[in-house]
Amino acid sequence: EQQVQQSPASLVLQEAENAELQCSFSIFTNQVQWFYQRPGGRLVSLLYNPSGTKQSGRLTSTTVIKERRSSLHISSSQITDSGTYLCAMERTHYGSSGNKLIFGIGTLLSVKP
Amino acid sequence: DAGVTQTPRHEVAEKGQTIILKCEPVSGHNDLFWYRQTKIQGLELLSYFRSKSLMEDGGAFKDRFKAEMLNSSFSTLKIQPTEPKDSAVYLCASSRTGGARAEQFFGPGTRLTVL
Repeated sequence: EQQVQQSPASLVLQEAENAELQCSFSIFTNQVQWFYQRPGGRLVSLLYNPSGTKQSGRLTSTTVIKERRSSLHISSSQITDSGTYLCAMERTHYGSSGNKLIFGIGTLLSVKP
Repeated sequence: DAGVTQTPRHEVAEKGQTIILKCEPVSGHNDLFWYRQTKIQGLELLSYFRSKSLMEDGGAFKDRFKAEMLNSSFSTLKIQPTEPKDSAVYLCASSRTGGARAEQFFGPGTRLTVL
């Protein structure tokens, strides 16, 4: 069972269009992190957003913890935005602390000229 | 400030071999993670260390996978014996311990191919 669901699985955009990526969790979490990965590349942290709205450049993440969901909005997409966007939640454990992440499968974004 | 480093970047092994992957976390980070990444399963946690203590050993991966943290700046992941289904990218990540800002930073990964 996938505890982190991402949608859409893939997305094709024309350059300059906006993208909205969704992430939902089957269990409660209090930490959400969005990552980006080019094919064969390193996972790069984009936004760390446990709640509310966070912005970094053209990226805006909105997390509603009580609804177990988070979204990533990419405005004015560029060809270099192409790659896989992964959402991860921290699994909350009673009796221990830590920030173990559970990842979704990702959304493959392709931006065309 | 150096990020997470992993060696080797690529590894090819015959079925049944033992391979050891290496990771150096970001200096000052107390948490270290090993993940496996495949197209089908995505990222799966293999092991998790906090201040060199093993916090989680990945359940289903206990059998042939053994991660160790010899000191605060070096960790290894041993797979013994390797099987073709182990072909994947193995990622190491580190973070500061808990708190409000516990982002994980990832290494470039080791791509393992088992023939």
